[in-house]
Amino acid sequence: EVQLLESGGGLVQPGGSLRLSCAASGFSFSTYTMNWVRQAPGKGLEWVSGISGGGGSTYYADSVQGRFTISRDNSKNTLNLQMNSLRAEDTAVYYCAKSLYSSGWFFDYWGQGALVTVSS
Amino acid sequence: EIVLTQSPGTLSLSPEERATLSCRASQSVSSSQLAWYQQKAGQAPRLLIYGASSRAAGIPDRFSGSGSGTDFTLTISRLEPEDFAVFYCQQYGSSQVYTFGQGTKLEIK
Repeated sequence: EVQLLESGGGLVQPGGSLRLSCAASGFSFSTYTMNWVRQAPGKGLEWVSGISGGGGSTYYADSVQGRFTISRDNSKNTLNLQMNSLRAEDTAVYYCAKSLYSSGWFFDYWGQGALVTVSS
Repeated sequence: EIVLTQSPGTLSLSPEERATLSCRASQSVSSSQLAWYQQKAGQAPRLLIYGASSRAAGIPDRFSGSGSGTDFTLTISRLEPEDFAVFYCQQYGSSQVYTFGQGTKLEIK
């Protein structure tokens, strides 16, 4: 059974940093592109970042480019998102999502989400 | 960047009725790159349809997708009480960029 479990959410001041992690199990983690998708309170879904199976290619939405860094540790089946220079508009539930295909395209499994609140 | 516009914003129907949700793209999209998700309150989204018309694993056959070019449709043939939720379309673009529509809320009438 595929499981994705996020951790690391919490309250942070504007300009601060936070690191999210996602522990994956139940599938060949290193085979698949992995992603972060967020949802601001009461709003829709926004793709944030993705990383190829081997970790050599990373992708970012314009809204987080230069502030967020995605990484993965295939030896530990873990996906990470380092978030710096956080802004109020980054407040959201952050979901870890597995791609349907090794190359990406769609998200077939999601974690339960980690809430990040940016506020003074 | 392709923009996806979903309509209607809210759809009020009764169980056993047929639901038709629309997703319109700002420019032509390959049908292989279009998906639909269902999200219930307090839960993560669930993949329903990918490649515009292929059902994801475990999805009942009352859910179907169709369309091409700029117009795509999600149809629920006969609504069950557990189907009421928010639905999102999603497009996979070049260079691993993904966009979502703003969502359609399907509520019980």
